Amino acid sequence: KQEVTQIPAALSVPEGENLVLNCSFTDSAIYNLQWFRQDPGKGLTSLLLIQSSQREQTSGRLNASLDKSSGRSTLYIAASQPGDSATYLCAVRRGQGGSEKLVFGKGTKLTVNP
Amino acid sequence: NAGVMQNPRHLVRRRGQEARLRCSPVKGHSHVYWYRQLPEEGLKFMVYLQKENIIDESGMPKERFSAEFPKEGPSILRIQQVVRGDSAAYFCASSPLAGGLGNEQFFGPGTRLTVL
Repeated sequence: KQEVTQIPAALSVPEGENLVLNCSFTDSAIYNLQWFRQDPGKGLTSLLLIQSSQREQTSGRLNASLDKSSGRSTLYIAASQPGDSATYLCAVRRGQGGSEKLVFGKGTKLTVNP
Repeated sequence: NAGVMQNPRHLVRRRGQEARLRCSPVKGHSHVYWYRQLPEEGLKFMVYLQKENIIDESGMPKERFSAEFPKEGPSILRIQQVVRGDSAAYFCASSPLAGGLGNEQFFGPGTRLTVL
């Protein structure tokens, strides 16, 4: 059974700092991994999707890496801003041919202080 | 270009009543997924549907819960005889394709169900 863990559960940093959020998964047979952002009381915004054959994806100040063999992904946020404050969720999809469902971690709640 | 739409955004029910949650996928998407987020918990998969078919309902409670995605109209998640433990945020996602590079799931804003 796939389990996804995100560490830390909460993180508070001053504005401008670079930071790394961690995600680990127990079954390396994944098809892809997605990072989402969730604002309080709101839905999920997809940030980055990494296919299992890829090692990283970049979008603006965000960079996500994937090491499938070790069951790890990191989300790097450069030059953090107060507007980055949100909960960041990591989700994996099982290998191709398996279920379409995403398995989520519980998230990392990020607070960027001005 | 409307994204995934869910209504109502907030729903209050008393114990024993029925709750109906609606999801309109992104235009052109024929795959719909429902997830539930309990307080202080991560999102948990409930059910995956294509038009007129339930493909995977492995995360759906066996009783009181049902889902449909008719040929016309939105997908409906129905909870009968609600209990306090059903209070949660229910999210719908859609994707254009199953498998392949087109399988990214796009999420709606969620319906927050409160059972009194």
